[in-house]
Amino acid sequence: DIVMTQSPDSLAVSLGERATINCKSSQSVFYSSNNKNYLAWYQQKAGQPPKLIIYWASTRESGVPDRFSGSGSGTDFTLTITSLQAEDVAVYYCQQYFTTPHTFGQGTKLEIK
Amino acid sequence: EVQLLESGGDFVQPGGSLRLSCAASTLTSNIHALTWVRQAPGKGLEWVSGINVGSGVTYYADSVKGRFTISRDNSKNTLFLQMNSLRADDTAIYYCAGGSSGWYLDYWGQGTLVTVSS
Repeated sequence: DIVMTQSPDSLAVSLGERATINCKSSQSVFYSSNNKNYLAWYQQKAGQPPKLIIYWASTRESGVPDRFSGSGSGTDFTLTITSLQAEDVAVYYCQQYFTTPHTFGQGTKLEIK
Repeated sequence: EVQLLESGGDFVQPGGSLRLSCAASTLTSNIHALTWVRQAPGKGLEWVSGINVGSGVTYYADSVKGRFTISRDNSKNTLFLQMNSLRADDTAIYYCAGGSSGWYLDYWGQGTLVTVSS
């Protein structure tokens, strides 16, 4: 199985500042035939189901604010939230869907400093 | 927009069985794949099982292989998860989630709670 490791486990950022969450996969999730990274990011607010925010490592889901961006390729990926807002408080998960089981990272809890 | 609604969660003793259902507002035309993801109390997300809606090919996590069976009824727009030989560590909220264009999950239900305890 591909192991997904996020860092840090928790993060406190001031309102209006940048938050950066990293995700590393134990093997590449890049498929050269279509030049795509099979990596998604989800946001889960307290008491709610997860919500897709980024897929193909860098494609923002419709309706997601443009302060959210994804980057990286192969085994190393980053979710960046520029200008943190109060409503961004949540746990963020990366997930690879390159091969089953489609494993998740352990989650990163984002709070306001 | 696809709506997903899970049902069937309950309290069950170890060794027991349970069948979860997930009703979708539409299935074959708007969904490529359906997945069960679970979340134990206070823990992270765990991918459990998935099915390609069109082909019916199924996939399982090692932790449930041989005990759980995923299936779908396209005529009823419903996904199922038959869970047998349940263990305490199967206790979790079980989410039904769907991928409209692939295996990334752009639609999620609200979840149904399964508690396995004696």
